[in-house]
Amino acid sequence: GENVEQHPSTLSVQEGDSAVIKCTYSDSASNYFPWYKQELGKRPQLIIDIRSNVGEKKDQRIAVTLNKTAKHFSLHITETQPEDSAVYFCAASSGGGADGLTFGKGTHLIIQP
Amino acid sequence: NAGVTQTPKFQVLKTGQSMTLQCAQDMNHNSMYWYRQDPGMGLRLIYYSASEGTTDKGEVPNGYNVSRLNKREFSLRLESAAPSQTSVYFCASSAYGGYSGNTIYFGEGSWLTVV
Repeated sequence: GENVEQHPSTLSVQEGDSAVIKCTYSDSASNYFPWYKQELGKRPQLIIDIRSNVGEKKDQRIAVTLNKTAKHFSLHITETQPEDSAVYFCAASSGGGADGLTFGKGTHLIIQP
Repeated sequence: NAGVTQTPKFQVLKTGQSMTLQCAQDMNHNSMYWYRQDPGMGLRLIYYSASEGTTDKGEVPNGYNVSRLNKREFSLRLESAAPSQTSVYFCASSAYGGYSGNTIYFGEGSWLTVV
């Protein structure tokens, strides 16, 4: 089955700086890579996703890059703000149908004022 | 539009007791999922239902059973609860499934403690 590794587990940055979270996956058949943000006590919510036929996608201060050859993808947040503090999860499709996503273990992003 | 609704939100069980977590979605989605979330472990798939009438095991199915009651509802049952099943449980749904790239939407979560 698919295996997703996510680093770092905790990331502390100064407000206004950029943050980068990296993930690798094992199944070369995976073709869908979403990122979820989870605030304390809340449900995970999709913030951005990318499909395997695209190398980069941007949405305002958030961008995701994908390197299929190396089987890794990254989340970039620029001009970080206090409300960006949360746990972020990367995920990859299992590649076999409607069988859900395999998640990384999460990155706790802390924005220092 | 409520999205994905799950009940109960909080539950305390004694070891050996049984209970059912209920989940319903009103987005006419085909696929539904149950995940558990433990500290430092991310979200792990327990069971999923790709479409009405089908269910399949995920990564951590032991100790659980599921029922896809109809297109809207997907329940998770703990037959004999164990302390290792203390966790936050999330129900989720998607239109066609993660592989096709359709967004997976999560419910608000159910906090279960087994003592």
